[in-house]
Amino acid sequence: GNSVTQMEGPVTLSEEAFLTINCTYTATGYPSLFWYVQYPGEGLQLLLKATKADDKGSNKGFEATYRKETTSFHLEKGSVQVSDSAVYFCALSDPSGTYKYIFGTGTRLKVLA
Amino acid sequence: NAGVTQTPKFQVLKTGQSMTLQCAQDMNHNSMYWYRQDPGMGLRLIYYSASEGTTDKGEVPNGYNVSRLNKREFSLRLESAAPSQTSVYFCASSVGVWGASNEQYFGPGTRLTVT
Repeated sequence: GNSVTQMEGPVTLSEEAFLTINCTYTATGYPSLFWYVQYPGEGLQLLLKATKADDKGSNKGFEATYRKETTSFHLEKGSVQVSDSAVYFCALSDPSGTYKYIFGTGTRLKVLA
Repeated sequence: NAGVTQTPKFQVLKTGQSMTLQCAQDMNHNSMYWYRQDPGMGLRLIYYSASEGTTDKGEVPNGYNVSRLNKREFSLRLESAAPSQTSVYFCASSVGVWGASNEQYFGPGTRLTVT
């Protein structure tokens, strides 16, 4: 069946540090992959997406590359800001799976000034 | 353009009571979803509606019913609330169901407590 595994948080970084949040997946078909961000007290917002192998999604300085060979979609940012503090969710959409929409458990990021 | 709206924002129920969570979107999206978010478990799909007139079960449908009232509105009903249904509920919508069209837009959530 489908699944998404994210690194456990919280992740605490200083401002301008490099960020990596790991995400690996299991899917029966060819899923689309997404990263969502959730700020305190709000719903989720799409951060970036990739729909096929080797696609790179990017937005607001964040990037993630769809790696089929390692079944991974790691989120990276070169220089984090305090305003990036939030919870980040990796997700997949796979029409051939029993559970078609799967979210990871979320990784909380805290950036210190 | 409000996006996805949910009512109510907060609700406290006693065990056995019923209630309906309302969701509406003004983006002319075809597909709508209901999720629950619990600590340490991410979001889990309860039900979804790929298009007006259709609904399908997600990962955790037991204890819930849904109605796709029209293209804009998708409601979630708890017929007999249980403490295990204490959670934050999110509604979402997307243009379509699969691939890139499955980019989902989320409402602000409903925090439900069942005592």
